[in-house]
Amino acid sequence: RKEVEQDPGPFNVPEGATVAFNCTYSNSASQSFFWYRQDCRKEPKLLMSVYSSGNEDGRFTAQLNRASQYISLLIRDSKLSDSATYLCVVNIGGADGLTFGKGTHLIIQP
Amino acid sequence: NAGVTQTPKFRVLKTGQSMTLLCAQDMNHEYMYWYRQDPGMGLRLIHYSVGEGTTAKGEVPDGYNVSRLKKQNFLLGLESAAPSQTSVYFCASSPFLGGYEQYFGPGTRLTVT
Repeated sequence: RKEVEQDPGPFNVPEGATVAFNCTYSNSASQSFFWYRQDCRKEPKLLMSVYSSGNEDGRFTAQLNRASQYISLLIRDSKLSDSATYLCVVNIGGADGLTFGKGTHLIIQP
Repeated sequence: NAGVTQTPKFRVLKTGQSMTLLCAQDMNHEYMYWYRQDPGMGLRLIHYSVGEGTTAKGEVPDGYNVSRLKKQNFLLGLESAAPSQTSVYFCASSPFLGGYEQYFGPGTRLTVT
């Protein structure tokens, strides 16, 4: 059964702080991994892909641990505009696309 | 470049009524998807299409039908709406198969009373 698990939160974090959250996936055949961001009452949008070597995009760092079957997202120097729901997304290579986690709700407080 | 558009944005139906949701993309993508998103459930795949004239069932296809007569359009039909189909429906498209970025439309908020 395809399954992606995330802590729903909410994570309440002061502006400027560093926050990290993880996601676990159950299918060891999973091939590609993503973090999507979804603002309230909006559509999901790709935040970043997650590569085996890890990757960084400005204040955002994503890591993949295949042995333990989890991916992580680290946000440094958090901004008020980072408040959103972050969706962990996994693909096992099938034509039916991506499997989405239920999301982690992040609230950055001034 | 509009990307992925969905019509309508909002709709209220009575139980038993039918309707069609339209998704259109102008990016010449082969692959298109319909999801529903419910509180606490995350995004669930209803149906998808790997090209013009093709459709396939996703995780939760019951009560829905789809058609992809033109490459740029993917229609989702509800033949006899039920309150359990109250949800936010998102359409998405992708240029490549499987594990590549999907581009989402703004969603349709459907309430069935």
